[in-house]
Amino acid sequence: DADVTQTPRNRITKTGKRIMLECSQTKGHDRMYWYRQDPGLGLQLIYYSFDVKDINKGEISDGYSVSRQAQAKFSLSLESAIPNQTALYFCATSDSRDNYNEQFFGPGTRLTVL
Amino acid sequence: RKEVEQDPGPFNVPEGATVAFNCTYSNSASQSFFWYRQDCRKEPKLLMSVYSSGNEDGRFTAQLNRASQYISLLIRDSKLSDSATYLCVVNTPGTYKYIFGTGTRLKVLA
Repeated sequence: DADVTQTPRNRITKTGKRIMLECSQTKGHDRMYWYRQDPGLGLQLIYYSFDVKDINKGEISDGYSVSRQAQAKFSLSLESAIPNQTALYFCATSDSRDNYNEQFFGPGTRLTVL
Repeated sequence: RKEVEQDPGPFNVPEGATVAFNCTYSNSASQSFFWYRQDCRKEPKLLMSVYSSGNEDGRFTAQLNRASQYISLLIRDSKLSDSATYLCVVNTPGTYKYIFGTGTRLKVLA
């Protein structure tokens, strides 16, 4: 079984709809992240959470919100989706006890906003 | 200047060739360095962390040059299955910030 899972894997929605992307991990990591990837661009950080009570905005948080329901779960919401939010979304985890801070990624959610 | 820069490629090499990629970074305080492999429309997968003294994992060798602020990845005896995009990632411990390069695309040709 995958250590980091994301649901749904693919989603097509319409402008103005509310969408939630979910991420779960079994790695026991305390830190979780949401990124988006657009063609030809590096991964851009949307939100990150260092523990359940610690949530922070990343570089491109406008139009997004998150919820850290438990150490193992981190959800990303698009309150009112717009076409330029069409992208590949990745959840990642890391362990603050790891000296080298390696990140591990989920399989991604491909979101299309029409 | 971008914080992390990579040559986008593509690097087209024959099977069995040796190929090397470099990645430059601008923040001299950076302490952690990684190479990830990303296949088309898939998640980045950690290939190797880059240690100060350099490290090797099978056909892959990673080096760090702090003075010139770059890391490198060397792939020996290239396989068709090595075809992918290779992402350079830089992190400053204690911060949230992982800076991703846009990737170098490798195509290994039969």
